Amino acid sequence: TQLLEQSPQFLSIQEGENLTVYCNSSSVFSSLQWYRQEPGEGPVLLVTVVTGGEVKKLKRLTFQFGDARKDSSLHITAAQPGDTGLYLCAGRVSNNNDMRFGAGTRLTVKP
Amino acid sequence: ETGVTQTPRHLVMGMTNKKSLKCEQHLGHNAMYWYKQSAKKPLELMFVYNFKEQTENNSVPSRFSPECPNSSHLFLHLHTLQPEDSALYLCASSQAPRTSGRAGFKTDTQYFGPGTRLTVL
Repeated sequence: TQLLEQSPQFLSIQEGENLTVYCNSSSVFSSLQWYRQEPGEGPVLLVTVVTGGEVKKLKRLTFQFGDARKDSSLHITAAQPGDTGLYLCAGRVSNNNDMRFGAGTRLTVKP
Repeated sequence: ETGVTQTPRHLVMGMTNKKSLKCEQHLGHNAMYWYKQSAKKPLELMFVYNFKEQTENNSVPSRFSPECPNSSHLFLHLHTLQPEDSALYLCASSQAPRTSGRAGFKTDTQYFGPGTRLTVL
């Protein structure tokens, strides 16, 4: 069982649609990060959330950290082909600050 | 371009070969990391170096041997690998505090290199 479960594992949508991907755990995190990884590249940090209930916006991307700091969501409005990639969440476990990654959601946005 | 470079980008090796992966960071960071990324699995942290000292070794087999000669360079020496070791090996760096122990890593941001795609035949 993975510490961080990401869903869905795969998502294929048309340009202009909205979508939400999830990152869930039974553990509490002191912080949680979202990365996007494109083919042939390493993950690139999108956002870090620290406070329970925190919402951060990055253009068309909205990130939310759960009140209990156990889960997070990423919502994309009006998806574009450039949003295609592997979205990874990574959390620092609250009791020891070990960093753990989810397996990712692979998003494809078709023109 | 994240300021972290990795060479080679692709490597094919036999099980009896010895090869090395190289990582260099141009960000002035003091912590460097090796991760293994396999298909459909989470990134697995392998090694952590902070100020050139190895601070974590997550039960990695001895056929993987890290080396950190200075804060800017990190190597992963490979020998007698197995086909299941085929994966994308990612290097990362961050500006982690020296003396705060794990607490200093709370909001530490890691910058990743592009990875080395390793295939073991």
